[in-house]
Amino acid sequence: QVQLVESGGGVVQPGRSLRLSCVASGFIFRNYGMHWVRQAPGKGLEWLAVVSNDGSNKNYEDSVKGRFTISRDNSKNTLYLQMNSLRAEDTAVYYCAKEFYLKALDYWGQGTLVTVSS
Amino acid sequence: DIVMTQSPATLSVSPGERVTLSCRASQSISSDVAWYQQKPGQAPRLLFYDASTRATGIPARFSGSGSGTYFTLTISSLQSEDFAVYYCQQYNNWPPYTFGQGTELEIK
Repeated sequence: QVQLVESGGGVVQPGRSLRLSCVASGFIFRNYGMHWVRQAPGKGLEWLAVVSNDGSNKNYEDSVKGRFTISRDNSKNTLYLQMNSLRAEDTAVYYCAKEFYLKALDYWGQGTLVTVSS
Repeated sequence: DIVMTQSPATLSVSPGERVTLSCRASQSISSDVAWYQQKPGQAPRLLFYDASTRATGIPARFSGSGSGTYFTLTISSLQSEDFAVYYCQQYNNWPPYTFGQGTELEIK
């Protein structure tokens, strides 16, 4: 069955960097676009970024453009989110999600918590 | 950016009742809407895509409808496991893939 397992979250100081990983299994990873979505404590879902199946196309939400970079390694079935210049408002649970043919997000990981605090 | 507005923010309902949640887009998005269910401490789960196509394993008591700018999610007879937060999302015009702010179903 499809599994997405995020890792790399933790407590980080403002201005520092963090890299999240998402290991995929149970489907042909290289065939699907992949997304990152976050959820601040007690808040709703916020879409962050998408990468195409081959990694050639990437798009971002404006608030993270220039600070966050989405990437993937299809040989390792792994999605990444490099987060630089972190701010307190980046504190959230970060989910990776599999795209369903340019439509919805049909499978989600369990999330990894990132806390930005001094 | 397309804004998705869900109403109401919270609905108090009793088990067995029928309930309809609304989602309105700031411009026409055809039927390019998904609905998700999220329970506390869990990741979201896809319920519908293309406004009305049920995702794998979703019970028939859930139905989705709408096109253009107005969309609804209906639960015909609420079960205890249906009390959760529901989000709509558009994928017609991206980036960004915008979500609504969510509607929480709580037990009356």
